[in-house]
Amino acid sequence: RKEVEQDPGPFNVPEGATVAFNCTYSNSASQSFFWYRQDCRKEPKLLMSVYSSGNEDGRFTAQLNRASQYISLLIRDSKLSDSATYLCVVNDFNQFYFGTGTSLTVIP
Amino acid sequence: NAGVTQTPKFRVLKTGQSMTLLCAQDMNHEYMYWYRQDPGMGLRLIHYSVGEGTTAKGEVPDGYNVSRLKKQNFLLGLESAAPSQTSVYFCASSYRGKETQYFGPGTRLLVL
Repeated sequence: RKEVEQDPGPFNVPEGATVAFNCTYSNSASQSFFWYRQDCRKEPKLLMSVYSSGNEDGRFTAQLNRASQYISLLIRDSKLSDSATYLCVVNDFNQFYFGTGTSLTVIP
Repeated sequence: NAGVTQTPKFRVLKTGQSMTLLCAQDMNHEYMYWYRQDPGMGLRLIHYSVGEGTTAKGEVPDGYNVSRLKKQNFLLGLESAAPSQTSVYFCASSYRGKETQYFGPGTRLLVL
């Protein structure tokens, strides 16, 4: 069983739409959680950390449900520039585990 | 600050050849990591280091060796390259092990 599982998509949404990505993780002792964004042929970059109480950064909202071992990312008012692959990342002690990523394309 | 840099950016090897990938960071981070990224597999940890002079195995260490002689550098070696090692290699660093990772731009390796 993979440590982190994500729906690979692709998600194709019109500009202005709201889109949600989900992720599950297998280790209940996981300690920290992140969403990263990766553009084609580029390195991953941190989008936001995910906190137990949920957190928001502009149009992006992240939620963590430790009981269900589930992480979500909500993007409101999608922009063309949001087109990318979104990686769910979980930290267990010294190691980070990455989901395979969810591909998003925002269509004009 | 340059952040995390990697050399080379691209390399073609023949089966059996050796090479070393260099990662350097100027953020005074303790932790450094080497990953490989393959289509449909996501990023997988090869080796990591929790400080100068230390190394540890990750999820897919076979066929690779690493060294962390200086805090700012983390080297990844392939002693005898195989076609299965064709991949994109990313180096990353973090201040401590549970915090945000910063990635280098990647090295694209093709083994023929």
